[in-house]
Amino acid sequence: GAVVSQHPSRVICKSGTSVKIECRSLDFQATTMFWYRQFPKKSLMLMATSNEGSKATYEQGVEKDKFLINHASLTLSTLTVTSAHPEDSSFYICSARDYRKREGRNEQFFGPGTRLTVL
Amino acid sequence: TQLLEQSPQFLSIQEGENLTVYCNSSSVFSSLQWYRQEPGEGPVLLVTVVTGGEVKKLKRLTFQFGDARKDSSLHITAAQPGDTGLYLCAGSGNTPLVFGKGTRLSVIA
Repeated sequence: GAVVSQHPSRVICKSGTSVKIECRSLDFQATTMFWYRQFPKKSLMLMATSNEGSKATYEQGVEKDKFLINHASLTLSTLTVTSAHPEDSSFYICSARDYRKREGRNEQFFGPGTRLTVL
Repeated sequence: TQLLEQSPQFLSIQEGENLTVYCNSSSVFSSLQWYRQEPGEGPVLLVTVVTGGEVKKLKRLTFQFGDARKDSSLHITAAQPGDTGLYLCAGSGNTPLVFGKGTRLSVIA
């Protein structure tokens, strides 16, 4: 299967600082990547869709100025949590769509996630 | 809005038992994926079903896509402690995937 990496795996920061999370597709090009947030014992909540070379599409209720997304290349998308607060503490997961797969499958492959803790 | 209802939400069984997880929707999906997620990790793709009525087997796991492509099931035979995790179904019709709420399975030795 396709491999997606995410860095860092864990980050602890002080309230008010900004944190950048990187998501990379290692063996395929991804024109579309997705950022999710997951609360304990819950399913994935889509935050935004990241499109290479264009602005991200944010889901309702997600502040685009708070969660900055940049998809500068076909293998890299970044999520920056600006002026982080304790309520931003969560598990953030990215995924990438592999268009090489057979048509109709629309498979997404996920990174290992980033655990953010804001003190 | 496309929704996927997944049931049960929680399941705790003894090693060796069989179980079935259901994923239902009123919407038609072009394909449906099943993922398994372990604590502190990202979801791992188990299978993709595309054709209505399709059945796929992955060792002790059997996946079925409904004839109308609105529902799917995951059946695990002789569950083992290593099967413990969060199972997620996700439907593809529009961008991006629509996820169910997940089934948290615990297999007790």
